[in-house]
Amino acid sequence: SAVISQKPSRDICQRGTSLTIQCQVDSQVTMMFWYRQQPGQSLTLIATANQGSEATYESGFVIDKFPISRPNLTFSTLTVSNMSPEDSSIYLCSVLTVNYGYTFGSGTRLTVV
Amino acid sequence: SQQGEEDPQALSIQEGENATMNCSYKTSINNLQWYRQNSGRGLVHLILIRSNEREKHSGRLRVTLDTSKKSSSLLITASRAADTASYFCATDHTGNQFYFGTGTSLTVIP
Repeated sequence: SAVISQKPSRDICQRGTSLTIQCQVDSQVTMMFWYRQQPGQSLTLIATANQGSEATYESGFVIDKFPISRPNLTFSTLTVSNMSPEDSSIYLCSVLTVNYGYTFGSGTRLTVV
Repeated sequence: SQQGEEDPQALSIQEGENATMNCSYKTSINNLQWYRQNSGRGLVHLILIRSNEREKHSGRLRVTLDTSKKSSSLLITASRAADTASYFCATDHTGNQFYFGTGTSLTVIP
């Protein structure tokens, strides 16, 4: 399956600051996504990262709060901006490939204090 | 493998009919989730059912879970053309790792 490297694996951040999460895939993939997951809960789709164009955001998520970049077919970043304690969560990137279906990164556990 | 398996792989029905999709898994779970994927978009969460629950409803969606048979079903009642999508079950075995099935492609014909 596609191998995803997601960094950082965890971070503790001060409120009001921003954190950028990186997602690197070992092969070119068409579809890349960013999710948020509260522990033990289901995934909430934040946005679809589109290569070379603006990401497609789901209801309740906006670009100013979660800017996403995808400069090429193997790399994407998600920034959590102006963080508050409510942003504490696990953030995951995911890719979809024809051969292997969905693959998820190991996640970034974010704690905002 | 802990991966869930859905059946059927593809389902085509007329608008207004009910659609039933099944998911089977192999090892014990904490919970099971159903997701929908519209073409070109990511997975959207539909319902989460915990291992101690047998049935849950959400609008036109009904999910059942039979832990003795290690299976779950998703029923969409009174289907609409907008329900056309792929549906995936995901099993949560450890609390932080999901295993997705291969999905059921549903086509609702207007």
